[in-house]
Amino acid sequence: QTVVTQEPSFSVSPGGTVTLTCGLSSGSVSTSYYPSWYQQTPGQAPRTLIYNTNTRSSGVPDRFSGSILGNKAALTITGAQADDESDYYCVLYMGSGIWVFGGGTKLTVL
Amino acid sequence: QVQLVESGGGVVQPGRSLRLSCAASGFTFSNYGMHWVRQAPGKGLEWVAVIWYDGSNKYYADSVKGRFSISRDNSKNTVYLQMNSLRAEDTAVYFCARLGGGWCVDYWGQGTLLTVSS
Repeated sequence: QTVVTQEPSFSVSPGGTVTLTCGLSSGSVSTSYYPSWYQQTPGQAPRTLIYNTNTRSSGVPDRFSGSILGNKAALTITGAQADDESDYYCVLYMGSGIWVFGGGTKLTVL
Repeated sequence: QVQLVESGGGVVQPGRSLRLSCAASGFTFSNYGMHWVRQAPGKGLEWVAVIWYDGSNKYYADSVKGRFSISRDNSKNTVYLQMNSLRAEDTAVYFCARLGGGWCVDYWGQGTLLTVSS
């Protein structure tokens, strides 16, 4: 049973930089998993931020960036703003038509 | 613009069946695969199923395999999720979403709530 891991919560100061990560319970995340990232506020549908590791979705500000850091996928928010306070989810494509979401990270901006 | 509108949610008793629908517009539906993703109350996102653009392949999460079935009608720009043998743990908001480039989910519907309760 593959588990995709994310930090349950994170805090960042306004204007600060934060890096959220997305790992595997066993093994390393690489670009071959096509990691993507989603932002969700309560009661709303998710919004796609990053796909294919580091490609920003249309309309997403360039202060959101994706990468591989070590053995994990990463989402970096530079110059955090109050309205970045959301839940963030990664998803990995495991191949053979199977996707697995991480448990999500609740980001607080304060 | 891309629009995905889910319907068919509601309250259903355990063991019963229900079919969700997702009507798509604003893009060439027959060129894209489609996902269903769900979110239980207060919980995270869970990938449920995907269907290829032409319906040739369908894949499911282990939690729903054998009980749920995804299908599509490209003439109606609609994707469906047939859910049988429903359980309380299937209670969730069900989102349909488009399979985009880079094996991602790129556009999302607003979701439809399914409650499984006696």
